[in-house]
Amino acid sequence: GDSVTQMEGPVTLSEEAFLTINCTYTATGYPSLFWYVQYPGEGLQLLLKATKADDKGSNKGFEATYRKETTSFHLEKGSVQVSDSAVYFCALRLNTGFQKLVFGTGTRLLVSP
Amino acid sequence: DGGITQSPKYLFRKEGQNVTLSCEQNLNHDAMYWYRQDPGQGLRLIYYSQIVNDFQKGDIAEGYSVSREKKESFPLTVTSAQKNPTAFYLCASSIDRGRTNYGYTFGSGTRLTVV
Repeated sequence: GDSVTQMEGPVTLSEEAFLTINCTYTATGYPSLFWYVQYPGEGLQLLLKATKADDKGSNKGFEATYRKETTSFHLEKGSVQVSDSAVYFCALRLNTGFQKLVFGTGTRLLVSP
Repeated sequence: DGGITQSPKYLFRKEGQNVTLSCEQNLNHDAMYWYRQDPGQGLRLIYYSQIVNDFQKGDIAEGYSVSREKKESFPLTVTSAQKNPTAFYLCASSIDRGRTNYGYTFGSGTRLTVV
């Protein structure tokens, strides 16, 4: 079946460090890929997305590139801030008919001053 | 502004009582979803609905019930049959009819505690 695998957390970084959160997927079709962010006590917010191979999604300094050859969608940010501390979810959605989002288990990011 | 509203934000329930969580959206989205999230855990799908008057069980539907009488509303009832109802509940909605390159819009959640 379709699935998303994320790196285990927590990821602990100092402010201004470089961030990578790995995400790989398995899909029976051709998916769109998403990153969501969840701040403490809140719902999920769409951070960025990419709908086809080699697309790069970007938002708020975060980037992720849809790599079909490696079935990956790694999240990166050049310089993290304390306010980036949150849980990050990678997800996919197939582009045929009605398809539900398939989520990874989430990766907690902790950024210290 | 369009959005999805969950209420209340915090809810306390005595054991043996049913409780209903509200979810309303004004995004004109077709599909709606309910997820459960336990501390430090990912999302688990409870129920979803593609259209009005139709809904399907997700992965953990036991002890829950839903209705979809209006496009805008998808209330979730946590019944006394749910053994461990204390959790954070998230409602979401999405455009559909083939536009699946869109993701979901989430509400801000309801934290249910059984006392």
